[in-house]
Amino acid sequence: AQKITQTQPGMFVQEKEAVTLDCTYDTSDQSYGLFWYKQPSSGEMIFLIYQGSYDEQNATEGRYSLNFQKARKSANLVISASQLGDSAMYFCAIGSTLGRLYFGRGTQLTVWP
Amino acid sequence: ETGVTQTPRHLVMGMTNKKSLKCEQHLGHNAMYWYKQSAKKPLELMFVYSLEERVENNSVPSRFSPECPNSSHLFLHLHTLQPEDSALYLCASSQGLAGELLMTNTGELFFGEGSRLTVL
Repeated sequence: AQKITQTQPGMFVQEKEAVTLDCTYDTSDQSYGLFWYKQPSSGEMIFLIYQGSYDEQNATEGRYSLNFQKARKSANLVISASQLGDSAMYFCAIGSTLGRLYFGRGTQLTVWP
Repeated sequence: ETGVTQTPRHLVMGMTNKKSLKCEQHLGHNAMYWYKQSAKKPLELMFVYSLEERVENNSVPSRFSPECPNSSHLFLHLHTLQPEDSALYLCASSQGLAGELLMTNTGELFFGEGSRLTVL
């Protein structure tokens, strides 16, 4: 079984500041992937970043980076230089096979000017 | 135009109605998925289609009936739904085949904007 826990229902950050969204996971699989998706009010889930369990380096994609600590089973998302357009729900997800992702409950991020 | 298009965006139906949700992907992907997003639960995987064959049905009630006539289209037929079925239904697609082990970030799912369903 796989499980994702996001303990922050809501986060607030000022524009241009960095913010960390927490994600911890539980899995019995040896090989798995961790994902972060963003869901703006329009409803569409937008892929942000991926980390494979076998990757020793933390993944980065532009302003997004994933702080992967395997021993702690955590995969926190760091957004640098927040923008107003970053305000959205953020979901952490885990999967070991394509398409079968297990999502957390999400964190609502609000960026204020 | 997004890569994955869902219609209708909003749907209100009674418990005795029959309706369908439609999903179309323009990405040439091989697998398509239905997810359910309820207000009080994490996103739940409902159905998985890989090369037009259903490969997974996650204990979904029979009042939800999926159909995948070709690799670009996916339907979710709805009948005699309950108020607790009210949710956002998200369609997604992936380039790789469902069930493949995740080895690279081709595990990315491309989602549509969802169909918000309200059952009265």
